[in-house]
Parts: sequence; C-alpha cells; structure tokens
Amino acid sequence: GAVVSQHPSRVICKSGTSVKIECRSLDFQATTMFWYRQFPKQSLMLMATSNEGSKATYEQGVEKDKFLINHASLTLSTLTVTSAHPEDSSFYICSSDRGGKLFFGSGTQLSVL
Amino acid sequence: DAKTTQPPSMDCAEGRAANLPCNHSTISGNEYVYWYRQIHSQGPQYIIHGLKNNETNEMASLIITEDRKSSTLILPHATLRDTAVYYCIVRVDLMGNTGKLIFGQGTTLQVKP
Repeated sequence: GAVVSQHPSRVICKSGTSVKIECRSLDFQATTMFWYRQFPKQSLMLMATSNEGSKATYEQGVEKDKFLINHASLTLSTLTVTSAHPEDSSFYICSSDRGGKLFFGSGTQLSVL
Repeated sequence: DAKTTQPPSMDCAEGRAANLPCNHSTISGNEYVYWYRQIHSQGPQYIIHGLKNNETNEMASLIITEDRKSSTLILPHATLRDTAVYYCIVRVDLMGNTGKLIFGQGTTLQVKP
C-alpha cells in the first residue's frame, strides 16, 4: 500500500490565487520530506527539503516566498504555491525517507489559468 | 548535478530481459546506487538499491561492477506495464538520516509486444 499520501491529485486555479498541497507519511514519522517539481518531458527537480519543526531548506533558484513549506508535525508537510501564475503549472511531488528508501507521493498536477 | 549517466531510451521485447545500464564513475565509497522508475503522471516507484554486492528482489536484480563505476538494472521478464522512465541515482544512505535524491534524465524503457 501507499507509504506517502499526497493531496490533491489535481488542481486547477485562477492566476493570483494560492494553492496548498499536502503530503502525509502513513504509519511512520518523517522528520524530513522532500518536494520536487516536474515539467512535461523533463526529470524531477528538487525544490526544497522540509524539516519538522524548523525552516525548510530551498535549492538554489527556488523562491522561498513563492513556495511556502510548513512541516508542523512528524506526519504532515505542506507546500503552498502563493499567487500562482501560469508558469507555476507543473507536477509537484513529495517524498519521505523510510528505512533508507525514499517513497514518493502520487503527485499533484497544478494547472494555473 | 546528477552524478549518473544513462542512455536516453531503450526498447525491449515483452517477455525478454531488460538490461538498463548506468555509469557512475565518480561514486564515493559511502554512496549507494538506487533505481527508481516513473510511470507517466505518477510519483517515482522504488525498485532496488545496493552498495557493492549484487542485489535481487521481487522486481529486479542490480548488478554493480567491482570498481562500482557502473551498474545494470535487470528486469528478468519485461511486461508492457514495465514501460516507464528508469532513474539511476547515487545517494548517501544514512540510516536514521536522510540524503536527498538528485534525478538525472533517466532511461525511457519501451516494452513492445
């Protein structure tokens, strides 16, 4: 069964609105979660590392004020795309480590109109 | 930057073994080789990982050369459902800690009837 649950699977929003994506670890505690973004026909690009109880670590070139990450509990991390624009349309995927293996959520397809 | 090199695409006949190569000539002594695959519009799926010994599980076998500079993922009897993008990744595996996965471009495996 799924180890990491991600919600929603698909979201369509208007330009200028904010969208929140949730990532939950199932049956285990995740002190660290990773957020990736994937554009069509491209590989996954790591955006940030989410740390429970502390600030997220962002990869170079990723705007922390644009992509807000909150990891308030050991089983939940959220990514909020603020003031979304069409260029933010992408496939967003979270992952978490369990026993030395990274497990991935099913992804969220964001479409900004 | 990704530390692995893979061919961009491969074909395999259904029922035959699929052998996917990966070069990781700069791998460090404490880095593991991980393989994931991604079926269209889904999150990556863990397949197998290893340090220096060959590994086998219910999905695949992983053959790592003695100098650890390359490896091969073997799907013994490929099916149409194995059509996916396969990613070879090197990562420091610290139990109780986490190391981020940096994805390269992967190999698109097309299994044909």
